[in-house]
Amino acid sequence: QSALTQPASVSGSPGQSITISCTGTSSDVGGYNYVSWYQQHPGKAPKLMIYEVSNRPSGVSNRFSGSKSGNTASLTISGLQAEDEADYYCSSYTSSSTLEVFGGGTKLTVL
Amino acid sequence: QVQLVESGGGLVKPGGSLRLSCAASGFTFSDYYMSWIRQAPGKGLEWVSYISSSSSYTNYADSVKGRFTISRDNAKNSLYLQMNSLRAEDTAVYYCARRGGDYVLDYWGQGTLVTVSS
Repeated sequence: QSALTQPASVSGSPGQSITISCTGTSSDVGGYNYVSWYQQHPGKAPKLMIYEVSNRPSGVSNRFSGSKSGNTASLTISGLQAEDEADYYCSSYTSSSTLEVFGGGTKLTVL
Repeated sequence: QVQLVESGGGLVKPGGSLRLSCAASGFTFSDYYMSWIRQAPGKGLEWVSYISSSSSYTNYADSVKGRFTISRDNAKNSLYLQMNSLRAEDTAVYYCARRGGDYVLDYWGQGTLVTVSS
């Protein structure tokens, strides 16, 4: 069982917006601003999309945005495109001995 | 451009050992912490281990502690993962990744598959 909880799947139509949640505790998501989001297409390596809750790396579309409220972080993708169909993972620093944890992943389907 | 290329994966029997390597290029390797992350077939990502830029600090997931050892050779721009006492549940694609900031994995390799089976 993953330390961070994500919905197994979300879907949306092209042009719509969707939000993926990532729920943890005050020992990880809620206590620190070290939440990242990764996109993974089938058979490919993960790609960093958001870091430190809401920062976008250079080259990542501004359709991707991140936020946090309490123990839940969120990734919002606006203007959905077919190429956004992928698995998305959140990760966070944690005060436990392992220091880093991932969510279980969310499969995004673009209808 | 940043490149990370893993190697060393393969089929190994339960209880066996394997050493993974990750060759880095396109950046000053000795400036960055590095991590190993794995993904079992059809499953999610699992952080395995990280090592500081000078090898002073290492950390491991509870699931591999005492069996896996992370190391690096900054002169060779290489990261390693020595895996001993392998179990079926260690079967996964193993990725190396650069830590570009605090707990941020900004570049990933393409992964190498480790299969533990008799």
